[in-house]
Amino acid sequence: AQKVTQAQTEISVVEKEDVTLDCVYETRDTTYYLFWYKQPPSGELVFLIRRNSFDEQNEISGRYSWNFQKSTSSFNFTITASQVVDSAVYFCALSPYTGTASKLTFGTGTRLQVTL
Amino acid sequence: SAVISQKPSRDICQRGTSLTIQCQVDSQVTMMFWYRQQPGQSLTLIATANQGSEATYESGFVIDKFPISRPNLTFSTLTVSNMSPEDSSIYLCSVESPSRSDTQYFGPGTRLTVL
Repeated sequence: AQKVTQAQTEISVVEKEDVTLDCVYETRDTTYYLFWYKQPPSGELVFLIRRNSFDEQNEISGRYSWNFQKSTSSFNFTITASQVVDSAVYFCALSPYTGTASKLTFGTGTRLQVTL
Repeated sequence: SAVISQKPSRDICQRGTSLTIQCQVDSQVTMMFWYRQQPGQSLTLIATANQGSEATYESGFVIDKFPISRPNLTFSTLTVSNMSPEDSSIYLCSVESPSRSDTQYFGPGTRLTVL
């Protein structure tokens, strides 16, 4: 069975602060994918990143960066110099590596509130 | 990424009635999925819908309650049958990206309230 844990229910920061959202996962699969999605107040789920289990390189995209550590089963997400527009619920998700899209197992989400 | 639309965007329904939600994609996709997000909760997969075959349902979801159609490669419907207040949720369809396999892109969701 697959499981994703996002222990931080809600985080509040002041604009321009850096913030890290934690994600810990459990799976018996030897190969798998990890994802982050953003859900702004409008409700739509926005894809942010996909990471293969056999690629542990960290990734940076603008103010966003992701730290994948297989040894600790973690896939953490950092927003640098946060902005009010970053306010949303962020979901970490896991799926088996099958060659096609397959069931996503989501964490419970972390609500990020960025204030001025 | 694929452009995905859902109809209706929101609805308020009476207990015991049924609602059909439509999901339209602007390109042909093999895999389509239906998820439910109950208020303040995470997303849970209801079923996987592939064109030309019966939908595959996850544990806890049955075809009589959530019948799904997938008539072609760009369209699917999910019906929520004999609704109760517990069915109040956001229902989201997702598709496998045509250009990025193993990645799902989501529609805007249908916000359903059952009175």
